[in-house]
Amino acid sequence: DIQMTQSPASLSASLEEIVTITCQPSQDIGNYLSWYQQKPGKSPQLLIHSATSLADGVPSRFSGSRSGTQYSLKINRLQVEDTGIYYCLQGYSAPYTFGAGTKLELK
Amino acid sequence: QIQLVQSGPELKKPGESVKISCKASGYTFTDYAMHWVKQAPGKGLKWMGWINTYTGKPTYADDFKGRFVFSLEASASTANLQISNLKNEDTATYFCASNWFAYWGQGTLVTVSS
Repeated sequence: DIQMTQSPASLSASLEEIVTITCQPSQDIGNYLSWYQQKPGKSPQLLIHSATSLADGVPSRFSGSRSGTQYSLKINRLQVEDTGIYYCLQGYSAPYTFGAGTKLELK
Repeated sequence: QIQLVQSGPELKKPGESVKISCKASGYTFTDYAMHWVKQAPGKGLKWMGWINTYTGKPTYADDFKGRFVFSLEASASTANLQISNLKNEDTATYFCASNWFAYWGQGTLVTVSS
């Protein structure tokens, strides 16, 4: 199974700050990486698919990138509504696996 | 618009069974596979498996082989998850998701308690 190492586990940032969350797979997954935001009591919402493609309706301050085998989610100019838990997911091979999550709070 | 609407919360005793439904609308049901994801209270997301909505063939992750069954009512654009012989550790919110996790149901909380 492919393990997804996500960091940090938690993050506290100020409004308008730039935030970066990373995921490192245990083996090559190509661009089969997506990012999700989950708010308390809600279902996850797709932010980024195919490592770098912004999902429909997602604000442009969210972006995804890949550097070698490391994948990153960047939030430019953090807003109040960006708090929540963020997960990465590899869709390269079953069993599909999520990162452990990053809890993002406002400082 | 595209929606996945799941059935309501369930309270069950250990050993009982539960069936959760996920009704899709706004797209052709057989266009996308349906995945199931488990989230235990306060924990992360775990992929349970998927069902091919065209053929009805299910695929289960190893931890969900045996007591878990994915099924379809294709005429009703509905996917189902049945869990038998419930255990306390099955207490969780279960999500359905389609189109490679672009669309998600609202989740169904299953509580197993004696």
